Amino acid sequence: EPEVTQTPSHQVTQMGQEVILRCVPISNHLYFYWYRQILGQKVEFLVSFYNNEISEKSEIFDDQFSVERPDGSNFTLKIRSTKLEDSAMYFCASQGYTDTQYFGPGTRLTVL
Amino acid sequence: ILNVEQSPQSLHVQEGDSTNFTCSFPSSNFYALHWYRWETAKSPEALFVMTLNGDEKKKGRISATLNTKEGYSYLYIKGSQPEDSATYLCASPYNQGGKLIFGQGTELSVKP
Repeated sequence: EPEVTQTPSHQVTQMGQEVILRCVPISNHLYFYWYRQILGQKVEFLVSFYNNEISEKSEIFDDQFSVERPDGSNFTLKIRSTKLEDSAMYFCASQGYTDTQYFGPGTRLTVL
Repeated sequence: ILNVEQSPQSLHVQEGDSTNFTCSFPSSNFYALHWYRWETAKSPEALFVMTLNGDEKKKGRISATLNTKEGYSYLYIKGSQPEDSATYLCASPYNQGGKLIFGQGTELSVKP
């Protein structure tokens, strides 16, 4: 069964460093999302992406964040200058023609 | 603002017990209600997408009901098994086909 994959599973970085989180959505899916869960809090929406552009973004998704679909298969989330409060589990999700969003296993980002 | 709430926050049951938990959401501007099952270090697994008032869906020993008029959904697990131990998340789209707004999850622990 097709699945969404994410790499790395765990990323440790120093405050101020750039990180790129990678996702391979299910092929033929059209809509792509990034969510995150800070420990002890709800899963929260960051950004959605459709037709090679951002369709919606949350207040969290400021100028430090960017997304790309560089080669038609990968979907990346870049954080330019990480802050301590960016430490969270980051989930990628993709959606085809149904209402279901399929999630990857997440990348745990730890900012020191 | 769409606010999705789940209760209880955690639940500890014995193997063989049946259990249920609740997801509540605003009844106005309702589009759909998603249930996910999330085991640590794995992808959140889509269980159900429910759209119609009175919907009942079943997958093995897990079933869910939906009441859109009063704004709640119940998830039932019949004869809980240790492998049912996971966090169960519900989510509702903010708009049709869009970002999901999540509840805080119910963490279920089933003891042998």
